[in-house]
Amino acid sequence: EAGVVQSPRYKIIEKKQPVAFWCNPISGHNTLYWYRQNLGQGPELLIRYENEEAVDDSQLPKDRFSAERLKGVDSTLKIQPAELGDSAVYLCASSFETGGRETQYFGPGTRLLVL
Amino acid sequence: KQEVTQIPAALSVPEGENLVLNCSFTDSAIYNLQWFRQDPGKGLTSLLLIQSSQREQTSGRLNASLDKSSGRSTLYIAASQPGDSATYLCAAYGNKLVFGAGTILRVKS
Repeated sequence: EAGVVQSPRYKIIEKKQPVAFWCNPISGHNTLYWYRQNLGQGPELLIRYENEEAVDDSQLPKDRFSAERLKGVDSTLKIQPAELGDSAVYLCASSFETGGRETQYFGPGTRLLVL
Repeated sequence: KQEVTQIPAALSVPEGENLVLNCSFTDSAIYNLQWFRQDPGKGLTSLLLIQSSQREQTSGRLNASLDKSSGRSTLYIAASQPGDSATYLCAAYGNKLVFGAGTILRVKS
């Protein structure tokens, strides 16, 4: 079974530039999560989708961040414009059932460096 | 707001030693407590998930316990090996997963 796929694995951009991350969850997983992990910290939830609906985006900085999950499968997370403080690892995860009380499967992450 | 704390922040032990990693959480209204492993440059791998009604879970050389009333969980690793070297994260699930900062473990051969 293929795991959660993320691309790109690494991205270096200059501040004020836009950037996008892509995630393909495990087949059949209805719930998809985006997390941000700063250096030396645990991941923090940015947004949770159940199918194509964003059910928890309270931690998403909506002035510059946006996300979508068309057709309830793949998802894209965008930052525009990027700031120096956005440098972090962006992790995507998925789980089978809604409600999120079961194991989440994580992708390898996208490491973003904003110069 | 849930807060999760892990102690110690880093741990270095010789191969073969048994060890305990600690996790504490402030809000006992959780559905489950999970332990993850993270290798450098990689995502998280789930190790153990303890439902709120359970007291412990075991997988191979790993044993995790949960005491909701005291807001604590421990991960016990028996007979540690160099391949166990990684960052171990605990996470409490209330309405979302809240992670601790992790314990960086190094097992020396």
